[in-house]
Amino acid sequence: AQSVSQHNHHVILSEAASLELGCNYSYGGTVNLFWYVQYPGQHLQLLLKYFSGDPLVKGIKGFEAEFIKSKFSFNLRKPSVQWSDTAEYFCAVEAAGGYQKVTFGTGTKLQVIP
Amino acid sequence: NAGVTQTPKFQVLKTGQSMTLQCAQDMNHEYMSWYRQDPGMGLRLIHYSVGAGITDQGEVPNGYNVSRSTTEDFPLRLLSAAPSQTSVYFCASRKNPGASNQPQHFGDGTRLSIL
Repeated sequence: AQSVSQHNHHVILSEAASLELGCNYSYGGTVNLFWYVQYPGQHLQLLLKYFSGDPLVKGIKGFEAEFIKSKFSFNLRKPSVQWSDTAEYFCAVEAAGGYQKVTFGTGTKLQVIP
Repeated sequence: NAGVTQTPKFQVLKTGQSMTLQCAQDMNHEYMSWYRQDPGMGLRLIHYSVGAGITDQGEVPNGYNVSRSTTEDFPLRLLSAAPSQTSVYFCASRKNPGASNQPQHFGDGTRLSIL
């Protein structure tokens, strides 16, 4: 079974600072990878996904993530955060192919200070 | 297009009571799932279904039952509520992952408190 680790539980940044949130997964085969965002009081929304192809994936709102297979990592980045990026971010992984369970990390709370 | 609809949005129960959390989707998605979200633990899969008539257990299935009589609906039943089931519950759906590279769509959640 796969697992996901998000090592940063709470991150505080000032506006315009750069962001990188770590995500490492454990699984021996091919995976699909996701980053979701949850704004306060709302449901999860997809930021970006990786299924195959270019390991540098661009998502909505200026976010991007890079899949590094050798490191089992899928870190989320944004060059300049805004106050509106304050939210909780979840990395998720599933074994590729067919019906598979999606496993979520424990989440990283990002607080952006104006 | 309503997407994934969960009802109710909030519910308070007493220990031992039963209830059903409703989930419906209008996107003709084969795959539906239930998660619970607890602080510091992310989302944990309770049960999932790959199509009408087919269900399976996730990571934390104890205390919950599901059924999938139609493609659209995937209710989650708590037979005898316990305080440990206090949580926020999310329903999600997606097209067949093997046929399309589509992620899950989430409902707005049900906040459940067990006293």
